[in-house]
Amino acid sequence: QVQLVESGGGVVQPGTSLRLSCAASGFTFSRYGMHWVRQAPGKGLEWVAVISYDGSIKYYADSVKGRFTISRDNSKNRLYLQVNSLRAEDTAIYYCAKDYNFGYYFDNWGQGTLVTVSS
Amino acid sequence: EIVMTQSPAALSVSPGERATLSCRASQSINSNLAWYQQKPGQAPRLLIYGASTRATGIPARFSGSGSGTEFTLTISSLQSEDFAVYYCQQYENWPCTFGQGTTLEMK
Repeated sequence: QVQLVESGGGVVQPGTSLRLSCAASGFTFSRYGMHWVRQAPGKGLEWVAVISYDGSIKYYADSVKGRFTISRDNSKNRLYLQVNSLRAEDTAIYYCAKDYNFGYYFDNWGQGTLVTVSS
Repeated sequence: EIVMTQSPAALSVSPGERATLSCRASQSINSNLAWYQQKPGQAPRLLIYGASTRATGIPARFSGSGSGTEFTLTISSLQSEDFAVYYCQQYENWPCTFGQGTTLEMK
């Protein structure tokens, strides 16, 4: 069965950086688009970024463009999100999610990793 | 950006009754709509895609309908495990966008 396990979250100060990771298993990782979706405490879902199966296409939400970078290592079945210049409003649970293909819906989700930005 | 608006924000229904949740898109998204269920402390779970197709393992009491700009999620006979937050999501255009959610509460 599909498993997505995020890691790398924590409590950080504004302006600092983190690298989130998502370990994928149970499917052929290199064939699917992958996303990061976040959820601020008590709020709704916000799509953050997507990467195509081979890493050649990447899209970002305007709120993170220029600060966040999505990447993947298909040899390791891993998805990453480099988050720089963190702000208080970036505080959220960050979910890794598998696309049905690329540019579709999220058919599997990880359990999330919490990023808290606080001074 | 396509704006997704869900209504109502909260819905109070008794177990065994029917619940109807609505989702409206700011422009046509054809049938490129998904519904997710999220319980407290859990990740979202895909319920419906293509506006009306149930995802694997989703009970038949969940049904989706609509196309264009108006969509509905219906839960025909509410079970205790169905009380949760429900989100719609469009994947017609980038960026994909979610509605703000409907909280389904037990009456």
